[in-house]
Amino acid sequence: EDQVTQSPEALRLQEGESSSLNCSYTVSGLRGLFWYRQDPGKGPEFLFTLYSAGEEKEKERLKATLTKKESFLHITAPKPEDSATYLCAAGGGYQKVTFGIGTKLQVIP
Amino acid sequence: DSGVTQTPKHLITATGQRVTLRCSPRSGDLSVYWYQQSLDQGLQFLIQYYNGEERAKGNILERFSAQQFPDLHSELNLSSLELGDSALYFCASSARQGAGETQYFGPGTRLLVL
Repeated sequence: EDQVTQSPEALRLQEGESSSLNCSYTVSGLRGLFWYRQDPGKGPEFLFTLYSAGEEKEKERLKATLTKKESFLHITAPKPEDSATYLCAAGGGYQKVTFGIGTKLQVIP
Repeated sequence: DSGVTQTPKHLITATGQRVTLRCSPRSGDLSVYWYQQSLDQGLQFLIQYYNGEERAKGNILERFSAQQFPDLHSELNLSSLELGDSALYFCASSARQGAGETQYFGPGTRLLVL
């Protein structure tokens, strides 16, 4: 069965304190690895799609990387407005996309 | 704004009732997905349609059903509602149907069953 595990479940950072969120996946034949940002009560907002190990994508203070077993979302010098839940999802060979529970990030001014 | 629209935004109803949630995908997208998100829980995949046909089923209860119409909008029907059905329901769309396709989510419908 496909599995996506995110860690930590919650992360509290000072403004400007860089860190990384982890997403470990077990899927049969990865088709795509997705990162989303979700604010409370809102729909997930698309951030990145990665397709193969070694691939990296950046957007403002966020950078996503992918290996054969996990993906990282690096947050550089975060600001309070980066506070949200970050979701990881993996699309596997059975044409199914599995979501992780998410990492709840709080950035304190 | 993802381009995916969902109505209504909020819905309050009683146990045993039936409701219909509506979703319009992004322009040009053929695939529609439905998800349920309960309080502090992850996104649970319910069902996927592609160009009017059911393509995949997840943890969807028999009391729930969905369809995608020729104009590609989709409806999720929830019947014999129970307290535990209270949740956020999201619709997402993608251009095609594969597991490598990026899904774009709508703003959701918050359902409260009293």
